[in-house]
Amino acid sequence: EDQVTQSPEALRLQEGESSSLNCSYTVSGLRGLFWYRQDPGKGPEFLFTLYSAGEEKEKERLKATLTKKESFLHITAPKPEDSATYLCAVQAEETSGSRLTFGEGTQLTVNP
Amino acid sequence: KAGVTQTPRYLIKTRGQQVTLSCSPISGHRSVSWYQQTPGQGLQFLFEYFSETQRNKGNFPGRFSGRQFSNSRSEMNVSTLELGDSALYLCASSSHRDRGLLRNSPLHFGNGTRLTVT
Repeated sequence: EDQVTQSPEALRLQEGESSSLNCSYTVSGLRGLFWYRQDPGKGPEFLFTLYSAGEEKEKERLKATLTKKESFLHITAPKPEDSATYLCAVQAEETSGSRLTFGEGTQLTVNP
Repeated sequence: KAGVTQTPRYLIKTRGQQVTLSCSPISGHRSVSWYQQTPGQGLQFLFEYFSETQRNKGNFPGRFSGRQFSNSRSEMNVSTLELGDSALYLCASSSHRDRGLLRNSPLHFGNGTRLTVT
């Protein structure tokens, strides 16, 4: 059974204090790993897709990396508007279509 | 381009009733999937439809069902509601066509329908 574990569950940062969120996964063949951001009362917003170990993607203050067992979401010099819940999800090789397995997320709060 | 639209945003129902939720995907997207989000379980896959056919189903009881129309709009239905069905129900659409491929065509989510069962 595919599993995704995110840590920490919650993280408080001061504005400008860089940090990383972790996503550990167990899957029988990874087709893709996805990062989403979810604001309160809204649906998840797509951030990145990673496909193979060693791959990196960047967007503004966010950078996602992938190894064979985990992914990191690095946040550089965060701002209060980066406060949100960050979700990680995987698609396994043997699953088809839109079936993703999600972690429970990391709730990030950035204080000014 | 308009995003994924879900209606209604909020619903309050009583145990034993049934409910229908609606989803309009992004224009041109033919794949529509549904997820249930609860504080304890996170996001869990319900089912996926493509070209009016269900092509993937999660581990939910038969009380949860769905359908897709020729214009790609989708509905999901929950019959005989239970207290544990209280959740945020999210619809997502994608432009991918191949069964196993989300490459370059990730899921785009709506803002969900918040269902409360009393």
